[in-house]
Amino acid sequence: NAGVTQTPKFRVLKTGQSMTLLCAQDMNHEYMYWYRQDPGMGLRLIHYSVGEGTTAKGEVPDGYNVSRLKKQNFLLGLESAAPSQTSVYFCASSRRLAGSLGEQFFGPGTRLTVL
Amino acid sequence: SQQGEEDPQALSIQEGENATMNCSYKTSINNLQWYRQNSGRGLVHLILIRSNEREKHSGRLRVTLDTSKKSSSLLITASRAADTASYFCATDESGSEKLVFGKGTKLTVNP
Repeated sequence: NAGVTQTPKFRVLKTGQSMTLLCAQDMNHEYMYWYRQDPGMGLRLIHYSVGEGTTAKGEVPDGYNVSRLKKQNFLLGLESAAPSQTSVYFCASSRRLAGSLGEQFFGPGTRLTVL
Repeated sequence: SQQGEEDPQALSIQEGENATMNCSYKTSINNLQWYRQNSGRGLVHLILIRSNEREKHSGRLRVTLDTSKKSSSLLITASRAADTASYFCATDESGSEKLVFGKGTKLTVNP
């Protein structure tokens, strides 16, 4: 099993450009999450999904869109990148266990720089 | 909203010593989880403790949970240089669909 994979690993954008980050998991998890982590900081939740075809806003959703067309994939889009979106982006997935959330499995991250 | 708050923010110890990190939270939870993050890497799950459990062990890790004080502690015994990392607590609030992570404790273990 590959676990959680993220594509690409690194990317440099110019202000105003768009891009899509891809997250894939092969554990048949219902829940998927996108976080951003700025230097020396904790994680901030951008968007999440509790199942195929569903998405919900997290703590910092502005400037991002997501889609979950297939259970194993969760896409994060930046329509018009801004320097404030320079960060490391992590995807995670988990399942629900007996009425509570199970452990989250994280991808290796995507380092995005917006110039 | 910030749920888990770790204390201290940074901790530096010598190899072989024990390291204790604390996490406080504000609302009722289903479980509390601890994660480790090595520099530049994704988080790795360490241990999950349910709200009806008081203590849990995994190798050199010991986690306690006090729901009356809304706090948890992570103890790493006989620390090694390889334990150098940031440690995060995360809470599963009752009725929520997402974990809420704290800001983390940065642990440095000096050889």
